[in-house]
Amino acid sequence: GNSVTQMEGPVTLSEEAFLTINCTYTATGYPSLFWYVQYPGEGLQLLLKATKADDKGSNKGFEATYRKETTSFHLEKGSVQVSDSAVYFCALRGGSEKLVFGKGTKLTVNP
Amino acid sequence: DVKVTQSSRYLVKRTGEKVFLECVQDMDHENMFWYRQDPGLGLRLIYFSYDVKMKEKGDIPEGYSVSREKKERFSLILESASTNQTSMYLCASTPAGAGLAALYEQYFGPGTRLTVT
Repeated sequence: GNSVTQMEGPVTLSEEAFLTINCTYTATGYPSLFWYVQYPGEGLQLLLKATKADDKGSNKGFEATYRKETTSFHLEKGSVQVSDSAVYFCALRGGSEKLVFGKGTKLTVNP
Repeated sequence: DVKVTQSSRYLVKRTGEKVFLECVQDMDHENMFWYRQDPGLGLRLIYFSYDVKMKEKGDIPEGYSVSREKKERFSLILESASTNQTSMYLCASTPAGAGLAALYEQYFGPGTRLTVT
């Protein structure tokens, strides 16, 4: 079945540091890939998505590229801010109606 | 803007009580979902519904039931709450897309933090 593996946290960075959160997946066919963000005390919000190989999703300075050859969708940001502190979830959706989530990575950014 | 609302942000119930968690979406989405979120376990799907009165079990349906009498509303029911059901509960919705399903993200509500004592 489909599955998502993302790097376990927590991740702690200083402001303006470079961020990478790794995400790899196993899926049949051609899934769409998503990154969701959950700020403290809130539900999940879509951060970015990519629906086919080599697509790059981007939003709020975050980027992720759909790499079919390495089955990866790593999240990157060049310069993190304190306000980026949150939990980040990688997810995929294949032909069914369901999303498959990774376990989440907690990011803390210190000033 | 898509809006998914949940009836309570915080709820405290006693063991053995019957608990209703309500979710409403305003975008005419066919599919609705209930998840629970626990530290170290991520999000786990409890039930989902792809149409009125239709439901399917997710990964952890034991101890829960659901009701979907209207398209916009999806209720999660804990028949007899237990302490191991203390968790954050998240509702989500998405359009159906037969063949295009993979293109659509899920829209989440703010969550209900349930404590069972």
